[in-house]
Parts: sequence; structure tokens; C-alpha cells
Amino acid sequence: QLQLQESGPGLVKSSETLSLTCSVSGGSMNTYNYHWGWIRQPPGKGLEWIVTMYYRGTTYYNPSLESRVTISADTSTNQFSLTLTSVTAADTAVYYCARQRTGSLRIDYWGQGTLVTVSS
Amino acid sequence: QSALTQPASVSGSPGQSITISCTGTNNDVGGYQYVSWFQQHPGKAPKVMIYDVRERPSGVSSRFSGSKSGNTASLTISGLQAEDEAEYYCSSYASGSSPVVFGGGTKVTVL
Repeated sequence: QLQLQESGPGLVKSSETLSLTCSVSGGSMNTYNYHWGWIRQPPGKGLEWIVTMYYRGTTYYNPSLESRVTISADTSTNQFSLTLTSVTAADTAVYYCARQRTGSLRIDYWGQGTLVTVSS
Repeated sequence: QSALTQPASVSGSPGQSITISCTGTNNDVGGYQYVSWFQQHPGKAPKVMIYDVRERPSGVSSRFSGSKSGNTASLTISGLQAEDEAEYYCSSYASGSSPVVFGGGTKVTVL
């Protein structure tokens, strides 16, 4: 059974960089069949897709966040990471990592999510 | 503003059927058979209920069904139960700059 687990600081200061890691267990990232992505959800609001990558490097970005987002993967440790620069209070959200099917990019597995609060 | 439009809320009595709509464009819902539906209970991660318009993952109740007509996808919950009270989100593959789009969510209330 695939499992995804987010980790990282729960509190980030405004204007600094948010960094999160997703650890994948029960399956390998080194597969053509899947992409790996991040989605966030501000408190009390809906889901917002952030970014998706294929382990060999093809990446898709939400245009509204592209200038501040980096995603990377370490297949030796079966982890992938998100960095978001110059954060503001609007970036306060629960951040989810997810596995997505190649082609449709549909999400088939979600992490449990981690709350990141941006403080001033 | 979400790319896909969902009603803010839908309610029904136990045992009834309800339908949630998800309206997009020819560039997303209408153009592909890649609509998914997620159920989210408070404080929990979303759960896949429907994928590829009408497919149910293993373990999801057959009371949940999906369909699509033109640019509008729908999720129907039959035999509504108290445990179905949750937020529901649709998602679709999309052409253009953002290949993944979500609806704004629909709060389902069991009366």
C-alpha cells in the first residue's frame, strides 16, 4: 500500500522560504506510470494545485505560483521536495503531496497533509 | 476563483439521492475523460471517490457514481447516509498552462 508523508517546519516567517519534503513508501518513484505533485488548502478554503513533476524532470507549474516554486526529487531516498520563496500570510495552508497518474495527471494517492503557518 | 464551478452546498435527507455538478469548459471537463471527485471530511486529507468520470476505486461504495455531459460533470450519491456529510471537490485535466484544475468544493449536508 503506497503511503505519502509530508514533513517540514510548521511555522515560516514572512518573506522567507517554505521547504517541505514528501517521503514515499510502498512504491518507487522511478516509474513511468506516475508523476508527483503538491496541492495546498488554505484554512477554510478549497484545494489549489501547485506543481507536478515526473522523476526524470518534466515539470508543470501553476502559473500563479511558478515564479516562486521549485520541485525536486531524490529517487535514491524516494523523496520529493517543494520550496516556495518569499512567502506571505496568503501562503498559510495545509500542504499535501500526492501521486498522480502519467497522462491524466489524476491524483490517486494523497499524503495526510501538513499545516504551514506564515507568521509576520 | 476556481477554474471549475460547483454549487456551494447541497443537502438531502437520509436515503435520498443528491447530485453535485461541476462545470468547466471545452479545455478541461468537456475535452477529456479525466474528471475526478474527492471527498474530504474536516481535518482529513481528500479521498478519491471517482476517477476518469465514472470509475470507482476499490473500496468506494457503489452508492457513489459519476457522469459527464458536455462541459458539466456530476457526482451522484444514492441512499444518502450520515457519513456522507463532507466537502466534495471535482478536478479535471486541462489543456493550457495549468493541467490540473479543481472546483471550489461543495458542502454536502445530511438533514
